[in-house]
Amino acid sequence: AQTVTQSQPEMSVQEAETVTLSCTYDTSESDYYLFWYKQPPSRQMILVIRQEAYKQQNATENRFSVNFQKAAKSFSLKISDSQLGDAAMYFCAYVYYGGATNKLIFGTGTLLAVQP
Amino acid sequence: KAGVTQTPRYLIKTRGQQVTLSCSPISGHRSVSWYQQTPGQGLQFLFEYFSETQRNKGNFPGRFSGRQFSNSRSEMNVSTLELGDSALYLCASSQTSGRGETQYFGPGTRLLVL
Repeated sequence: AQTVTQSQPEMSVQEAETVTLSCTYDTSESDYYLFWYKQPPSRQMILVIRQEAYKQQNATENRFSVNFQKAAKSFSLKISDSQLGDAAMYFCAYVYYGGATNKLIFGTGTLLAVQP
Repeated sequence: KAGVTQTPRYLIKTRGQQVTLSCSPISGHRSVSWYQQTPGQGLQFLFEYFSETQRNKGNFPGRFSGRQFSNSRSEMNVSTLELGDSALYLCASSQTSGRGETQYFGPGTRLLVL
């Protein structure tokens, strides 16, 4: 069974600094997608970034980038120039490609605090 | 395009009652998935519907059921509510199923069972 592990329950970063959130996963599949979602206090789940497992190039979205290490089954999120609005719970998620399902498997989340 | 909408946003029920939650996906999206979020268990997959057919079901008792209509709107029902069913219920939609597409989430329905 696939699993997703986020080993940092809480993280803190100073405004304008850089922070990295860790995520590891376990799967026997070779085709899959990985996501980082952000959940602010409003509880609305918002997509941050998406990575296709078959792509070696790491995905980037403005201040957000990932370090995808397929062999190590690691998928970390780097937030550069942190802003107060980045404070939220961050979830790493996995979905198997080709399994005729959209079932997302989530990690337990990392609560990110941004200090002014 | 309008985002995923969920109704109602908040609900208070008592043990033994039943509840129906509704989810309207983004226009053109045919897949709707439901998740339960609790502090203790985190985010857990309930089920997914695609073109009115249940594609996958999570490890939940039979009290949890769902359906999808021809316009892709989906409902989930929980019968004989228990205190442990108190949670945030999230639905997510995407255009297709099984292709790793991004799923877009609604704002959730917060259910409190007393």
